[in-house]
Amino acid sequence: EDQVTQSPEALRLQEGESSSLNCSYTVSGLRGLFWYRQDPGKGPEFLFTLYSAGEEKEKERLKATLTKKESFLHITAPKPEDSATYLCAVQARRSYQKVTFGTGTKLQVIP
Amino acid sequence: ETGVTQSPTHLIKTRGQQVTLRCSSQSGHNTVSWYQQALGQGPQFIFQYYREEENGRGNFPPRFSGLQFPNYSSELNVNALELDDSALYLCASSLRTENTEAFFGQGTRLTVV
Repeated sequence: EDQVTQSPEALRLQEGESSSLNCSYTVSGLRGLFWYRQDPGKGPEFLFTLYSAGEEKEKERLKATLTKKESFLHITAPKPEDSATYLCAVQARRSYQKVTFGTGTKLQVIP
Repeated sequence: ETGVTQSPTHLIKTRGQQVTLRCSSQSGHNTVSWYQQALGQGPQFIFQYYREEENGRGNFPPRFSGLQFPNYSSELNVNALELDDSALYLCASSLRTENTEAFFGQGTRLTVV
């Protein structure tokens, strides 16, 4: 069974204090790994898709990287508006319709 | 271009009742997936619809069923509601069944009492 574990569960940063969120996964034949951002009371917002180890993608202050067992979401010089829950999800080649999510990391950026 | 819209936004039902949730997919998206998100948890895949047919299902009992219409909008039906069905139900639409870039609606908050 596909599994996704995210750490830490919660993270509190000062504005400008860079950090990384971790996503460890177990899947038989990874097809894709996704990162989403979710604000309270809203649906997840797509950020990135990574397909193979060594791949990196960037968007504004966010950078996602992928290894064979983990993905990291690096946040550089965060701002208060980056406060949200960040969700990681995986998709297996054998059942590509199904996306398995982790429980998320709740990020709070303090001014 | 319109986003993914879900209705209603909130709903309260009694245990044993039936409920229908609705989703309008993003313009041009032919694939709709439904998820259940309990408080403090990540979304759990219920099923996917593509070209009006169920195209993959997660670990949910048959009392969770769905429909997709020719305009790609979709419904999620839940029969014999249980207290544990209380959750945020999310609909996501995508251009491809592989969910390469899925767009989520704001969700329907279902409370079963």
